[in-house]
Amino acid sequence: NAGVTQTPKFQVLKTGQSMTLQCAQDMNHEYMSWYRQDPGMGLRLIHYSVGAGITDQGEVPNGYNVSRSTTEDFPLRLLSAAPSQTSVYFCASSYVGSSYNEQFFGPGTRLTVL
Amino acid sequence: GQQLNQSPQSMFIQEGEDVSMNCTSSSIFNTWLWYKQDPGEGPVLLIALYKAGELTSNGRLTAQFGITRKDSFLNISASIPSDVGIYFCAGREETSGSRLTFGEGTQLTVNP
Repeated sequence: NAGVTQTPKFQVLKTGQSMTLQCAQDMNHEYMSWYRQDPGMGLRLIHYSVGAGITDQGEVPNGYNVSRSTTEDFPLRLLSAAPSQTSVYFCASSYVGSSYNEQFFGPGTRLTVL
Repeated sequence: GQQLNQSPQSMFIQEGEDVSMNCTSSSIFNTWLWYKQDPGEGPVLLIALYKAGELTSNGRLTAQFGITRKDSFLNISASIPSDVGIYFCAGREETSGSRLTFGEGTQLTVNP
């Protein structure tokens, strides 16, 4: 199993550009989520999904869109990049339920917006 | 939203020393997780706790689910240089589905 994979690993954008961060998992996990990590602020939840066709907002959703057309994939879209979106982005997945819902993380995408 | 207070923010220790860190919440959690993040990598799960009072070990690491269900502790015994990294606690409330709340992390430095 590859686990959780993310592409690209690094990306530089200009203000106003759009892009999609890709995330895929091969563990048949229902739950997938996107976090951003900024220095001294831990991991903050952007959007999450409990299954194909179902998405919801997290703590910091503004400026980001998601969709979940398959169980395996959960792309994150930046519609119009802003310097405040410079961050490291992590995708994570887990089973849904009261137990065994440990989240597994991808390696991250390091995004710089100029 | 829910906040997790993780302390200390950073630790500088000598190889061989024991380490303790903790997380507290303002509400009751039914799951506590501890992760480690190496530079340039994603967080890796170390220990998962699901019951109040539970004490679980993973090698030199031991974590406990506080009996009040509002805190958790992680201990590392006999630290080694590869223990360097950021340690995160994460918790799940009963009403939050699969959503986790993360602490801000403890940066651990181990001097050989």
